[in-house]
Amino acid sequence: GENVEQHPSTLSVQEGDSAVIKCTYSDSASNYFPWYKQELGKGPQLIIDIRSNVGEKKDQRIAVTLNKTAKHFSLHITETQPEDSAVYFCAARKAGTALIFGKGTTLSVSS
Amino acid sequence: NAGVMQNPRHLVRRRGQEARLRCSPMKGHSHVYWYRQLPEEGLKFMVYLQKENIIDESGMPKERFSAEFPKEGPSILRIQQVVRGDSAAYFCASSPGQGLTEAFFGQGTRLTVV
Repeated sequence: GENVEQHPSTLSVQEGDSAVIKCTYSDSASNYFPWYKQELGKGPQLIIDIRSNVGEKKDQRIAVTLNKTAKHFSLHITETQPEDSAVYFCAARKAGTALIFGKGTTLSVSS
Repeated sequence: NAGVMQNPRHLVRRRGQEARLRCSPMKGHSHVYWYRQLPEEGLKFMVYLQKENIIDESGMPKERFSAEFPKEGPSILRIQQVVRGDSAAYFCASSPGQGLTEAFFGQGTRLTVV
Protein backbone atom coordinates (compact mmCIF):
# COMPACT_ATOMS: atom_id res chain seq x y z
CA GLY A 1 0.00 0.00 0.00
CA GLU A 2 0.86 3.66 -0.08
CA ASN A 3 3.46 5.10 2.31
CA VAL A 4 3.99 8.84 2.75
CA GLU A 5 7.09 10.33 4.35
CA GLN A 6 7.09 13.98 5.50
CA HIS A 7 9.97 16.26 6.49
CA PRO A 8 10.82 18.11 8.60
CA SER A 9 8.83 17.12 11.68
CA THR A 10 9.29 20.60 13.17
CA LEU A 11 10.02 23.92 11.50
CA SER A 12 10.60 27.30 13.12
CA VAL A 13 10.71 30.49 11.06
CA GLN A 14 10.60 34.22 11.64
CA GLU A 15 7.54 36.13 10.56
CA GLY A 16 7.87 37.11 6.91
CA ASP A 17 10.18 34.23 6.03
CA SER A 18 9.22 31.34 3.74
CA ALA A 19 8.50 27.81 4.91
CA VAL A 20 8.88 24.64 2.86
CA ILE A 21 7.59 21.19 3.79
CA LYS A 22 8.44 18.14 1.68
CA CYS A 23 6.74 14.78 1.20
CA THR A 24 7.55 11.63 -0.73
CA TYR A 25 5.16 8.84 -1.64
CA SER A 26 5.72 5.24 -2.65
CA ASP A 27 2.81 4.27 -4.92
CA SER A 28 3.38 5.56 -8.45
CA ALA A 29 -0.37 5.15 -9.12
CA SER A 30 -1.25 7.87 -6.59
CA ASN A 31 -2.55 10.93 -8.37
CA TYR A 32 -4.14 13.24 -5.78
CA PHE A 33 -2.08 15.13 -3.19
CA PRO A 34 -3.80 17.40 -0.66
CA TRP A 35 -2.36 19.40 2.22
CA TYR A 36 -4.16 19.93 5.51
CA LYS A 37 -3.63 22.38 8.35
CA GLN A 38 -4.58 21.33 11.87
CA GLU A 39 -4.85 23.77 14.74
CA LEU A 40 -4.86 22.63 18.34
CA GLY A 41 -8.06 20.85 19.30
CA LYS A 42 -9.54 21.04 15.80
CA GLY A 43 -9.99 18.81 12.81
CA PRO A 44 -7.68 18.96 9.77
CA GLN A 45 -8.61 21.68 7.29
CA LEU A 46 -7.91 21.30 3.57
CA ILE A 47 -5.75 24.24 2.44
CA ILE A 48 -4.61 23.25 -1.06
CA ASP A 49 -4.41 20.18 -3.28
CA ILE A 50 -2.83 19.14 -6.56
CA ARG A 51 -3.62 16.45 -9.08
CA SER A 52 -1.05 14.55 -11.09
CA ASN A 53 -1.79 16.31 -14.36
CA VAL A 54 -0.47 19.57 -12.88
CA GLY A 55 3.08 20.41 -11.77
CA GLU A 56 2.36 23.44 -9.64
CA LYS A 57 -0.61 25.20 -8.06
CA LYS A 58 -0.74 28.49 -6.19
CA ASP A 59 -3.30 30.14 -3.92
CA GLN A 60 -2.19 33.51 -2.55
CA ARG A 61 0.72 32.80 -0.15
CA ILE A 62 0.50 29.03 -0.50
CA ALA A 63 1.86 26.94 -3.36
CA VAL A 64 2.30 23.23 -3.96
CA THR A 65 4.69 21.58 -6.43
CA LEU A 66 4.61 18.00 -7.66
CA ASN A 67 7.39 15.93 -9.23
CA LYS A 68 5.80 12.65 -10.37
CA THR A 69 9.06 11.20 -11.64
CA ALA A 70 10.73 11.58 -8.27
CA LYS A 71 7.47 10.90 -6.39
CA HIS A 72 7.67 13.94 -4.20
CA PHE A 73 5.60 17.05 -3.57
CA SER A 74 6.15 20.15 -1.50
CA LEU A 75 4.21 22.89 0.26
CA HIS A 76 5.56 26.42 0.10
CA ILE A 77 4.28 29.19 2.35
CA THR A 78 5.60 32.68 1.65
CA GLU A 79 5.49 35.75 3.92
CA THR A 80 4.64 33.62 6.93
CA GLN A 81 2.45 35.07 9.68
CA PRO A 82 1.96 33.96 13.32
CA GLU A 83 -1.48 32.58 12.39
CA ASP A 84 0.24 30.12 10.04
CA SER A 85 1.54 28.30 13.15
CA ALA A 86 -0.08 24.86 13.16
CA VAL A 87 0.56 21.24 12.23
CA TYR A 88 0.59 20.59 8.48
CA PHE A 89 -0.10 17.19 6.95
CA CYS A 90 0.49 15.97 3.42
CA ALA A 91 -1.44 13.05 1.97
CA ALA A 92 -1.67 10.93 -1.16
CA ARG A 93 -4.28 8.73 -2.73
CA LYS A 94 -5.46 7.12 -5.96
CA ALA A 95 -9.06 6.71 -7.04
CA GLY A 96 -11.03 4.25 -4.94
CA THR A 97 -8.75 4.43 -1.94
CA ALA A 98 -8.51 6.49 1.23
CA LEU A 99 -6.01 9.27 1.86
CA ILE A 100 -2.75 8.13 3.43
CA PHE A 101 -1.08 10.82 5.53
CA GLY A 102 2.44 11.82 6.42
CA LYS A 103 3.26 12.20 10.12
CA GLY A 104 2.95 15.97 10.10
CA THR A 105 5.11 19.07 10.43
CA THR A 106 4.73 21.44 13.37
CA LEU A 107 5.30 24.95 12.01
CA SER A 108 6.07 27.75 14.46
CA VAL A 109 6.15 31.32 13.20
CA SER A 110 7.62 33.80 15.65
CA SER A 111 7.06 37.54 15.43
CA ASN B 1 -24.31 24.19 4.37
CA ALA B 2 -23.15 22.19 7.38
CA GLY B 3 -19.78 20.49 7.37
CA VAL B 4 -18.94 17.03 8.64
CA MET B 5 -20.55 16.62 12.05
CA GLN B 6 -19.10 14.33 14.68
CA ASN B 7 -20.54 13.60 18.09
CA PRO B 8 -19.89 13.49 20.84
CA ARG B 9 -16.90 15.84 20.86
CA HIS B 10 -15.61 14.30 24.07
CA LEU B 11 -16.34 10.82 25.39
CA VAL B 12 -15.15 9.25 28.62
CA ARG B 13 -15.49 5.50 29.08
CA ARG B 14 -14.33 3.09 31.76
CA ARG B 15 -12.25 0.12 30.75
CA GLY B 16 -14.48 -2.65 29.41
CA GLN B 17 -17.31 -0.37 28.28
CA GLU B 18 -18.39 0.26 24.70
CA ALA B 19 -17.74 3.50 22.83
CA ARG B 20 -19.92 4.66 19.92
CA LEU B 21 -18.71 7.49 17.76
CA ARG B 22 -21.01 9.09 15.20
CA CYS B 23 -20.25 10.89 11.96
CA SER B 24 -22.72 12.68 9.69
CA PRO B 25 -21.10 13.45 6.33
CA MET B 26 -21.53 16.65 4.39
CA LYS B 27 -24.72 16.90 2.35
CA GLY B 28 -24.33 15.03 -0.91
CA HIS B 29 -21.33 13.01 0.29
CA SER B 30 -21.66 9.24 0.15
CA HIS B 31 -18.13 8.21 1.20
CA VAL B 32 -16.83 8.25 4.78
CA TYR B 33 -13.35 7.65 6.17
CA TRP B 34 -12.32 7.14 9.80
CA TYR B 35 -8.88 8.03 11.15
CA ARG B 36 -7.26 7.75 14.58
CA GLN B 37 -4.80 10.32 15.91
CA LEU B 38 -2.67 9.72 18.96
CA PRO B 39 -1.04 12.69 20.76
CA GLU B 40 1.89 14.12 18.80
CA GLU B 41 1.23 11.67 15.94
CA GLY B 42 -0.27 11.74 12.51
CA LEU B 43 -3.59 10.55 11.15
CA LYS B 44 -3.73 6.79 10.86
CA PHE B 45 -6.28 5.37 8.42
CA MET B 46 -8.79 2.93 9.90
CA VAL B 47 -11.70 2.28 7.54
CA TYR B 48 -13.30 3.57 4.34
CA LEU B 49 -17.06 3.13 3.86
CA GLN B 50 -19.69 3.82 1.29
CA LYS B 51 -23.36 3.63 2.21
CA GLU B 52 -24.13 0.02 3.26
CA ASN B 53 -20.68 -1.11 2.11
CA ILE B 54 -17.17 -1.36 3.56
CA ILE B 55 -14.64 -0.44 0.87
CA ASP B 56 -11.41 -0.88 2.84
CA GLU B 57 -10.97 -1.86 6.49
CA SER B 58 -7.26 -2.68 6.30
CA GLY B 59 -6.42 -0.14 9.02
CA MET B 60 -8.96 -1.39 11.53
CA PRO B 61 -7.84 -3.58 14.44
CA LYS B 62 -9.27 -7.09 13.91
CA GLU B 63 -10.86 -7.29 17.34
CA ARG B 64 -13.22 -4.98 19.23
CA PHE B 65 -13.51 -2.40 16.43
CA SER B 66 -16.31 -2.22 13.86
CA ALA B 67 -17.77 0.42 11.58
CA GLU B 68 -20.94 0.87 9.58
CA PHE B 69 -22.55 3.44 7.31
CA PRO B 70 -26.23 2.55 6.94
CA LYS B 71 -28.54 3.68 4.18
CA GLU B 72 -30.13 6.12 6.59
CA GLY B 73 -28.37 7.89 9.44
CA PRO B 74 -24.79 8.58 10.42
CA SER B 75 -21.74 6.40 10.16
CA ILE B 76 -20.88 4.70 13.44
CA LEU B 77 -17.47 3.60 14.71
CA ARG B 78 -17.94 1.13 17.55
CA ILE B 79 -15.24 0.09 20.00
CA GLN B 80 -16.16 -2.75 22.32
CA GLN B 81 -14.49 -3.46 25.68
CA VAL B 82 -12.35 -0.34 25.51
CA VAL B 83 -8.82 -0.34 26.92
CA ARG B 84 -6.58 2.58 27.90
CA GLY B 85 -4.69 2.26 24.62
CA ASP B 86 -7.88 3.21 22.73
CA SER B 87 -7.65 6.75 24.14
CA ALA B 88 -7.15 9.00 21.11
CA ALA B 89 -8.85 11.49 18.85
CA TYR B 90 -11.00 9.86 16.18
CA PHE B 91 -11.67 11.84 13.03
CA CYS B 92 -14.16 11.27 10.30
CA ALA B 93 -13.90 12.69 6.77
CA SER B 94 -16.34 12.59 3.88
CA SER B 95 -16.13 12.99 0.12
CA PRO B 96 -18.67 13.01 -2.72
CA GLY B 97 -17.36 9.85 -4.36
CA GLN B 98 -14.49 7.59 -5.24
CA GLY B 99 -12.84 9.91 -7.72
CA LEU B 100 -10.12 12.40 -7.00
CA THR B 101 -12.37 14.60 -4.93
CA GLU B 102 -11.67 16.61 -1.84
CA ALA B 103 -12.23 15.06 1.58
CA PHE B 104 -13.40 17.24 4.45
CA PHE B 105 -12.90 16.45 8.11
CA GLY B 106 -15.06 16.83 11.17
CA GLN B 107 -13.83 18.25 14.47
CA GLY B 108 -13.22 14.81 15.92
CA THR B 109 -14.24 12.83 18.98
CA ARG B 110 -11.75 12.72 21.80
CA LEU B 111 -12.07 9.39 23.58
CA THR B 112 -10.61 8.99 27.04
CA VAL B 113 -10.60 5.58 28.68
CA VAL B 114 -10.25 5.66 32.46
